[in-house]
Amino acid sequence: EVQLVESGGGLVQPGGSLRLSCAASGFTFSDNEMNWVRQAPGKGLEWVSHSSRGGNTLHYADSVKGRFTISRDNTKNSLYLQMNSLRAEDTALYYCARSAIASTGTGAFDIWGQGTVVTVSS
Amino acid sequence: EIVLTQSPATLSLSPGERATLSCRASQSVSSYLAWYQQKPGQAPRLLIYDASNRATGIPARFSGSGSGTDFTLTISSLEPEDFAVYYCQQRRSWPITFGQGTRLEIK
Repeated sequence: EVQLVESGGGLVQPGGSLRLSCAASGFTFSDNEMNWVRQAPGKGLEWVSHSSRGGNTLHYADSVKGRFTISRDNTKNSLYLQMNSLRAEDTALYYCARSAIASTGTGAFDIWGQGTVVTVSS
Repeated sequence: EIVLTQSPATLSLSPGERATLSCRASQSVSSYLAWYQQKPGQAPRLLIYDASNRATGIPARFSGSGSGTDFTLTISSLEPEDFAVYYCQQRRSWPITFGQGTRLEIK
């Protein structure tokens, strides 16, 4: 079964750091680009970050640029999101999402995890 | 940044009716538009990719159309399980963006 399982969320104070992990199974992880998407309580979806298959091309939303770092370890079938200088507005459910293989650009997000909750509060 | 505007914000219909959801882009996204369904407490699910292609396992009552800046998701005959929030998303250029969502509720 194709699956993504996030972990690492929790309660952190403003200015603090957190590292999210996403464990992939059921597919060849290195074949797909990967993403983080978040959803603030009661709000819509916000794309956060993207990694190419090899992890050498990365993209970030302006709202997290310079504070968050996406990475991946294809030997461990895992995606990560290092979050520094956290703010209250980073409070959200963070999803790991797989990009479908596409002939042009990154594909639609065809597999999603169930998410991990990050709460930034003093 | 490409802004996606979905309309209406809320759509109230009855089972068996036809639903038409709209997504308009601030600039052309060619056909690089996807639709997702999200039910309460669940992760989003891909319904349509590249404007008109149904994802694996998606029932035929879901269809997508459009190109450039104007797109439509149509549900031909609503089933009880279709009442949810629907999002469009573009992958034409970075940053990837989502629309604000359309809530499809039971009338």
